[in-house]
Order: sequence, then structure tokens, then C-alpha cells
Amino acid sequence: GAVVSQHPSWVICKSGTSVKIECRSLDFQATTMFWYRQFPKQSLMLMATSNEGSKATYEQGVEKDKFLINHASLTLSTLTVTSAHPEDSSFYICSAREITGGMDSPLHFGNGTRLTVT
Amino acid sequence: GQQVMQIPQYQHVQEGEDFTTYCNSSTTLSNIQWYKQRPGGHPVFLIQLVKSGEVKKQKRLTFQFGEAKKNSSLHITATQTTDVGTYFCAGPGSGGSNYKLTFGKGTLLTVNP
Repeated sequence: GAVVSQHPSWVICKSGTSVKIECRSLDFQATTMFWYRQFPKQSLMLMATSNEGSKATYEQGVEKDKFLINHASLTLSTLTVTSAHPEDSSFYICSAREITGGMDSPLHFGNGTRLTVT
Repeated sequence: GQQVMQIPQYQHVQEGEDFTTYCNSSTTLSNIQWYKQRPGGHPVFLIQLVKSGEVKKQKRLTFQFGEAKKNSSLHITATQTTDVGTYFCAGPGSGGSNYKLTFGKGTLLTVNP
């Protein structure tokens, strides 16, 4: 089955530093990947849509200069949380849609990254 | 914009009891998807419903899509402790955003053994 690998699984960083999270589709290609943020016991909030070879599309209220997204290839998207602050602490999850699937095809999620900013 | 409402937010049952979660959309959906997220885990795709009035079964799970394609339900018969988790419905965005999925708030199911 389609596997999405997300790394790291968890990270603790100091306030003011930057953290990069990688999302890889291991056995399929994805022109589009999605980055979500999830607070404890809450739903998945879409942050941005990552498009291979072009700029990411950010949801309203998400600071693009703070959450840098790079979709370098058909199998890799990265999210960099710049100048992290404690309020950025959260569970970040990426997902990908197979290039062969239509726009309605299901999403395959990574394992998520739990970010704690001290 | 597209909104997907899901109820209840929480449901606690005794093992062996049935469970149902409901999903309602403000607009007609081209399809609806269901995902399960175990505690500490990530969402895993369960099923996709496309046709009006569609009913699909996966062992003890029954998924329905309403005739108007605005609502859906997931019913679990005789719950087991392995059913614990949060169940999300998700529908595509409207218009030019139809490539995105909007998730409901989810229903957290806990099962008392």
C-alpha cells in the first residue's frame, strides 16, 4: 500500500530556532501534498497545499514566512517552522495523494511530527 | 466555505454496544471519505462513498451516504476495544478548492471492556 514517511517523529527545540520536517512518499509519486496541524483532541486543520515545482498555497491565517514549504520532487515535501515559539508546539501531519489518483482520491498520511518548543 | 459538521464529539460505550457517528455538510458533496485515527497515531483511510444513497460495509462497520449527498454516517456493530480512536469524515472543498479535503471535528470513541 501507499506509504508516507514523515521525519522526525518528535522534536524539541528552543524558542527562536527553526525546525525542518520532511514528508516522503515511499512507493508512489505525489504532485500534491498537504500539511495539517492538529491540537490535542481536535480536528485536522489544513495549513497549506504543497505543489511540486511551484509555490505552496497557504490557508487563510497561516503565515507563509513562518511555515516555509518546499516541494522539491514528486516524492518529497518539507515544512520548516522558522523562529519557533511555544505557541507553535503542536502535532504536524503531512499527507499525499497519488499522482495516478484523481482529485477525489484518498489521502495517505505520514505518522506526524510532535513539535515542542521550549 | 465548505463546512463538514460531525456529531457526537465524544462517545463512550461498553464493549459489545453499537456506535454511530454522523456527518453533515452545508453543500452537496461529490464524495465523502472516512478516516480513523488511533490515539497517538495518524489518520488512516477507511472508505470513500461516491453515489447517492450508497451503503458500504467493512466487517462490523457500515457506511452510508445520504440521498442528497449532504450527510453520511458510520455505524459500528458490537464494538470492540480495537475500535477505539477518533473517526473523521472528510469532504472535498467547493469550487476551485475541490482538491482539498475538509475534515469534520471527529468523534472520539472509547470502549469500556
